[in-house]
Amino acid sequence: GDSVTQMEGPVTLSEEAFLTINCTYTATGYPSLFWYVQYPGEGLQLLLKATKADDKGSNKGFEATYRKETTSFHLEKGSVQVSDSAVYFCALMEYGNKLVFGAGTILRVKS
Amino acid sequence: NAGVTQTPKFRILKIGQSMTLQCTQDMNHNYMYWYRQDPGMGLKLIYYSVGAGITDKGEVPNGYNVSRSTTEDFPLRLELAAPSQTSVYFCASLGVPDGYTFGSGTRLTVV
Repeated sequence: GDSVTQMEGPVTLSEEAFLTINCTYTATGYPSLFWYVQYPGEGLQLLLKATKADDKGSNKGFEATYRKETTSFHLEKGSVQVSDSAVYFCALMEYGNKLVFGAGTILRVKS
Repeated sequence: NAGVTQTPKFRILKIGQSMTLQCTQDMNHNYMYWYRQDPGMGLKLIYYSVGAGITDKGEVPNGYNVSRSTTEDFPLRLELAAPSQTSVYFCASLGVPDGYTFGSGTRLTVV
């Protein structure tokens, strides 16, 4: 079945550092891809999405590009803030509108 | 607009006890989902529903039951609680153009 693999954490960065969280997927066809963010004690919130190859999703300074050739959807941000500390999940939407999630990556940003 | 509401937020159960996790959405979404989140494992789909009266199993349905008598409500039932069901449970709904909306979760401990 479909699956998502993302880099293990935790990732610890200093404020204003560059962030990359790797995400690759295995799927039949070309699913929509998502990044969700989970702040402590809260549910998941959609961060960004891309629905077809070469699409770039962006929100709050975060970006990810749907790369069909490498089956990847890496999350990037040029300058992280302490408030970005959270758990980030990469996900794809498979048949039946069901989300398949990666294991999540904890991001810690130090001031 | 409350979105997706889950109750309770926390619960401790003894082995063999039963309980129902409540989920209600006020967005008139047809699709609803139950996921469980275990540390380092991402979210796994338990059950989902594409509309009132229609439910189907997800990836990890054993030990759980659901019903969908109305569009708004999608309760999850644990009949004989086991320690392996200790987890954080998230309910979600899906609609256009909202996309997925997640509840804030129920943290369940089985002792």
